[in-house]
Amino acid sequence: QKEVEQDPGPLSVPEGAIVSLNCTYSNSAFQYFMWYRQYSRKGPELLMYTYSSGNKEDGRFTAQVDKSSKYISLFIRDSQPSDSATYLCAMSDDRGSTLGRLYFGRGTQLTVWP
Amino acid sequence: DTGVSQNPRHKITKRGQNVTFRCDPISEHNRLYWYRQTLGQGPEFLTYFQNEAQLEKSRLLSDRFSAERPKGSFSTLEIQRTEQGDSAMYLCASSLRPRGRGGTGMIVAETQYFGPGTRLLVL
Repeated sequence: QKEVEQDPGPLSVPEGAIVSLNCTYSNSAFQYFMWYRQYSRKGPELLMYTYSSGNKEDGRFTAQVDKSSKYISLFIRDSQPSDSATYLCAMSDDRGSTLGRLYFGRGTQLTVWP
Repeated sequence: DTGVSQNPRHKITKRGQNVTFRCDPISEHNRLYWYRQTLGQGPEFLTYFQNEAQLEKSRLLSDRFSAERPKGSFSTLEIQRTEQGDSAMYLCASSLRPRGRGGTGMIVAETQYFGPGTRLLVL
């Protein structure tokens, strides 16, 4: 069993829909949780990060962490065709003030059609 | 462009050949990471450096793989005697290790910035 599980999709939604992306994990030591967006043939770019449990909002994006369930989510409101990409969850254990290595999910491929 | 750069962007080689990739991190970033990503999978950690010291290596990094960061700036990843299973995207990321806590006392997490990757195909 991988430490981070993520449904690869593909997920296809119409423009304006609310998108929900999720990951589960098994390592209770994970404290830092991130979402990266990766366009085809590009490197991942960081969208959101949260420390420990809770919610964080940034524009149309909301990240949620439920450590008791070992479950994290990313919500995209008013989705746009430009949001079409692969979304990767990533997490890291607590090493003081540093992140160290990241453990990634396999990514969910999202397509938003006009 | 002040982001992470990687060269070459694409490499096609024959099985058994050696290949070397280069990563130039964001200026003044003291941490540098190498990851490998195969089709339909997320990136997998290979190794990382803090300045010139290689601090951690994954089990994925067989003895055919070697990475260096001689002056704490750019890094190279060499694969010797390539195999078809080495075909993947090799990603480099850099970050700045924060010094202590932020002004609010919260732990300041570092952010890893990724380069565009080097896509390797071993025939």
